[in-house]
Amino acid sequence: AQTVTQSQPEMSVQEAETVTLSCTYDTSESDYYLFWYKQPPSRQMILVIRQEAYKQQNATENRFSVNFQKAAKSFSLKISDSQLGDAAMYFCAFTGTASKLTFGTGTRLQVTL
Amino acid sequence: SQTIHQWPATLVQPVGSPLSLECTVEGTSNPNLYWYRQAAGRGLQLLFYSVGIGQISSEVPQNLSASRPQDRQFILSSKKLLLSDSGFYLCAWSVDLGGYTFGSGTRLTVV
Repeated sequence: AQTVTQSQPEMSVQEAETVTLSCTYDTSESDYYLFWYKQPPSRQMILVIRQEAYKQQNATENRFSVNFQKAAKSFSLKISDSQLGDAAMYFCAFTGTASKLTFGTGTRLQVTL
Repeated sequence: SQTIHQWPATLVQPVGSPLSLECTVEGTSNPNLYWYRQAAGRGLQLLFYSVGIGQISSEVPQNLSASRPQDRQFILSSKKLLLSDSGFYLCAWSVDLGGYTFGSGTRLTVV
């Protein structure tokens, strides 16, 4: 079974600074997708970024980028120029051939002035 | 465009009462459908998923059941709610591995 681990329950970053959220996963599959979801206080799940395992190039979406290390099974999220609106829970997630999305336990990000 | 509807948004039910949460998808055919539960301050736990009408897979033994009576309708039910069933329930759909879309969720409080 696949597992997703987020070892940072909480992180804090100052506005305009950069923060990196960590995620590791375990799978025996070679073809899969990885995701970062944002959950604000409204609890709506918002897709931040996704990475296809067969693509070596790291995905980027504006201020959000990932560092995908397939051999190490690591998938970290970097948020640049942090904004107050980035404050939320962030979940790392995995899906493979079983088409089930498995989530980590989440990292609560605080953004301070 | 594809949309997902989930209702109700909030529900307060007494212990022992029945439950029915509904989720419908528009704008796509034969989606994979999922029910997740999120306890307070916790991650999302997959409860059920369905790859077609009448096909339900259960991930965790529990007091809940799911049904898919139509292609784009997914229902989460319970005959008798327990206090431990309280939580935030999210429905989601996908048509391929690369994209999952979530509903707005139902906050269930069992009293």
